[in-house]
Amino acid sequence: DQQVKQNSPSLSVQEGRISILNCDYTNSMFDYFLWYKKYPAEGPTFLISISSIKDKNEDGRFTVFLNKSAKHLSLHIVPSRPGDSAVYFCAASPNFGNEKLTFGTGTRLTIIP
Amino acid sequence: DTGVSQDPRHKITKRGQNVTFRCDPISEHNRLYWYRQTLGQGPEFLTYFQNEAQLEKSRLLSDRFSAERPKGSFSTLEIQRTEQGDSAMYLCASSLFGQGDSGELFFGEGSRLTVL
Repeated sequence: DQQVKQNSPSLSVQEGRISILNCDYTNSMFDYFLWYKKYPAEGPTFLISISSIKDKNEDGRFTVFLNKSAKHLSLHIVPSRPGDSAVYFCAASPNFGNEKLTFGTGTRLTIIP
Repeated sequence: DTGVSQDPRHKITKRGQNVTFRCDPISEHNRLYWYRQTLGQGPEFLTYFQNEAQLEKSRLLSDRFSAERPKGSFSTLEIQRTEQGDSAMYLCASSLFGQGDSGELFFGEGSRLTVL
């Protein structure tokens, strides 16, 4: 039972363009959402988060959008850079501070120079 | 380097053997988590500690698995009588809970287990 779904295993984007990574969830108890980035041979690193009381959170080139009624969130990266090439995991939690996270299966993003 | 460190990075063992992984969290962090990641999947929660207390265990953690954090600092994850299905990356993460943090986890590089 995959409660957090990332339906695109991979995505290729030209350098300088916008990268959009999508995530859907099924558990309506989830209240806090995070994105992690993972390079090969490294552990995941935290990127950005959003609480369900917001519909948008921005941090530099990274913006996360949350549509709670659709149980959908997306991560926008603008502009995309070659160093953004990594696997991106969407994660969800029942509440802020609850770090028992449920992760999606990840999307491998490749930025083409 | 003051990040989360895990040892060993890679362990190959025969089915039926016991293995132990160690995790050293970021020193001031009070919470420590173990996750498991198999090929093509995201990390799955196994268990976590707040200081030395183990507060929750996933149903994924069978009786063959035991985790400890004896002094509230480093942690060990032991798998007894390993099975081929135990082959995975075991990720440790830590956080500073209760200090206004965002719930952000800091992950180590993981310990990859291969059971032959």
